[in-house]
Amino acid sequence: AQKITQTQPGMFVQEKEAVTLDCTYDTSDQSYGLFWYKQPSSGEMIFLIYQGSYDEQNATEGRYSLNFQKARKSANLVISASQLGDSAMYFCAMVFYGNNRLAFGKGNQVVVIP
Amino acid sequence: DGGITQSPKYLFRKEGQNVTLSCEQNLNHDAMYWYRQDPGQGLRLIYYSQIVNDFQKGDIAEGYSVSREKKESFPLTVTSAQKNPTAFYLCASSSQAGTSAKNIQYFGAGTRLSVL
Repeated sequence: AQKITQTQPGMFVQEKEAVTLDCTYDTSDQSYGLFWYKQPSSGEMIFLIYQGSYDEQNATEGRYSLNFQKARKSANLVISASQLGDSAMYFCAMVFYGNNRLAFGKGNQVVVIP
Repeated sequence: DGGITQSPKYLFRKEGQNVTLSCEQNLNHDAMYWYRQDPGQGLRLIYYSQIVNDFQKGDIAEGYSVSREKKESFPLTVTSAQKNPTAFYLCASSSQAGTSAKNIQYFGAGTRLSVL
């Protein structure tokens, strides 16, 4: 079974600084996808970024980048130049090729302070 | 506006009552999903549907039922058999039905269900 681990306690980050959120996963499969979602206090899950297991380059989407280390089975999210609106829970998730079932970690809480 | 609409935003259930949560999407997506989120936890899959008139159980289907009579609609019924229904329920949809790992799921705003 897939297992996603996010173990960092809640994080405070200064506005305009970068923050890295850790995610490790456990799988013996070779073909899979990794996702990060943001959940603000309103509750909606917002898709941020995707990384395929065969992608050679790390994914980037604006201020978000994914530090993918396949051998270490880690997929850390980096948020650059933090903004107050980045305060939220962030979830790492994983899906296997041919399988719609997303498996989620327990999330990281980020609070951006001015 | 394209997106996923969940209603109601808040719902209260009495003992022994069935309640139905609505999920509608106008994204023309084939696949739809229901997740449950408990405080401090990630999401757990209840049911999913890859095509109209077909659906599969997820990890925690007991006490829930679904239907998929139309492509755009995937209602979830929380039955009286679900003894601990208080949670945040999220509906999602995706365009591809299991053909690629890059199968991004987009979510609605959620329904908070509480027991009276």
